[in-house]
Amino acid sequence: KQEVTQIPAALSVPEGENLVLNCSFTDSAIYNLQWFRQDPGKGLTSLLLIQSSQREQTSGRLNASLDKSSGRSTLYIAASQPGDSATYLCAVNPNTDKLIFGTGTRLQVFP
Amino acid sequence: GAVVSQHPSWVICKSGTSVKIECRSLDFQATTMFWYRQFPKQSLMLMATSNEGSKATYEQGVEKDKFLINHASLTLSTLTVTSAHPEDSSFYICSARDGRRYGYTFGSGTRLTVV
Repeated sequence: KQEVTQIPAALSVPEGENLVLNCSFTDSAIYNLQWFRQDPGKGLTSLLLIQSSQREQTSGRLNASLDKSSGRSTLYIAASQPGDSATYLCAVNPNTDKLIFGTGTRLQVFP
Repeated sequence: GAVVSQHPSWVICKSGTSVKIECRSLDFQATTMFWYRQFPKQSLMLMATSNEGSKATYEQGVEKDKFLINHASLTLSTLTVTSAHPEDSSFYICSARDGRRYGYTFGSGTRLTVV
């Protein structure tokens, strides 16, 4: 059974820091991995999608890497801003159309 | 990009009544839609998968008769919480997948409170 874990569960940092959020999954047979952002009481916004054949994806200050063989993905946030404060979720697609979500990392960036 | 509209964003209902939540794909045809439930400070739990024109597939432990899902068209799926009780209070989120794309687009969620 695929399990997805995110570390840390919560993170509080001052503005300007570079951050690394971790996501690990137990079964490497995945189709793709997606990172999402969720603001309190809101739905999910897709940040980055990495196909199983890819190593990384970049969008602005965000960079996500994927090491399928070791079951790990990292989301790198450069020069963090208060507006980045949210919960970040990773989700794997194990070829079944169903996303399996991680436990999430609650990020707070203070001025 | 792909947009999924979910309504209502919040609803308060009395115990024993039914509530319908709508999920629409605005600029693509959603061959598959998903319904999730999220408890406070927890991750998303998949409730059911629906494919246009066929019956929904429910996850283990989800009551089919309580959570009715209809996916009658390629742009609309509905979740009806029947005979709602306070324990059904939660945040419900839908997601749609365009058959041509690889990613998933999520609605903005519905906060259901049963009093």
